Amino acid sequence: AAGVIQSPRHLIKEKRETATLKCYPIPRHDTVYWYQQGPGQDPQFLISFYEKMQSDKGSIPDRFSAQQFSDYHSELNMSSLELGDSALYFCASSLVGAEQYFGPGTRLTVT
Amino acid sequence: GIQVEQSPPDLILQEGANSTLRCNFSDSVNNLQWFHQNPWGQLINLFYIPSGTKQNGRLSATTVATERYSLLYISSSQTTDSGVYFCAVVLEYGNKLVFGAGTILRVKS
Repeated sequence: AAGVIQSPRHLIKEKRETATLKCYPIPRHDTVYWYQQGPGQDPQFLISFYEKMQSDKGSIPDRFSAQQFSDYHSELNMSSLELGDSALYFCASSLVGAEQYFGPGTRLTVT
Repeated sequence: GIQVEQSPPDLILQEGANSTLRCNFSDSVNNLQWFHQNPWGQLINLFYIPSGTKQNGRLSATTVATERYSLLYISSSQTTDSGVYFCAVVLEYGNKLVFGAGTILRVKS
């Protein structure tokens, strides 16, 4: 069965640079979520989209933005990167209100 | 906000032993999921269990929504069961998952 696809899997950036993470949800899923997991922590919700419209927002820094495109893929844009942004970033997808399925994650390292 | 508490925080088992992990939550929820995060960081869905009992091989889970807790049972543990087990819930009228702090499981051969 198709799973959630994330790219890139690993990313190394320097402070103050910009990063773009991509997510391709499971076909026919109408909701996409982004989560951030810092070292030794549990995943924290950032933002979600239902049918390409933002549906909920968590503790997402103003330096981060996200959108969902007409083909349902989503991108998380992160600017002015800080050392504290180093984390594992997960995308998940679901039918609205149903079980969420997670991608393999993008490991971002900011140096 | 909702509190999701998992216990125990750490667990070391000998291969072949059984264990029970617990998840308590402080508010009514629409959805509860159990995940296994393997050493490579992947979050693997174990159960989607807002209520009732489910079994999948050596694993089973029970959620008692009215008493706001869920249990994950691991029987005949194997070294490949090692990793972090997360419980996560979705509040009524919400859609985001709120995770507990996890239980770190190490199975020794």
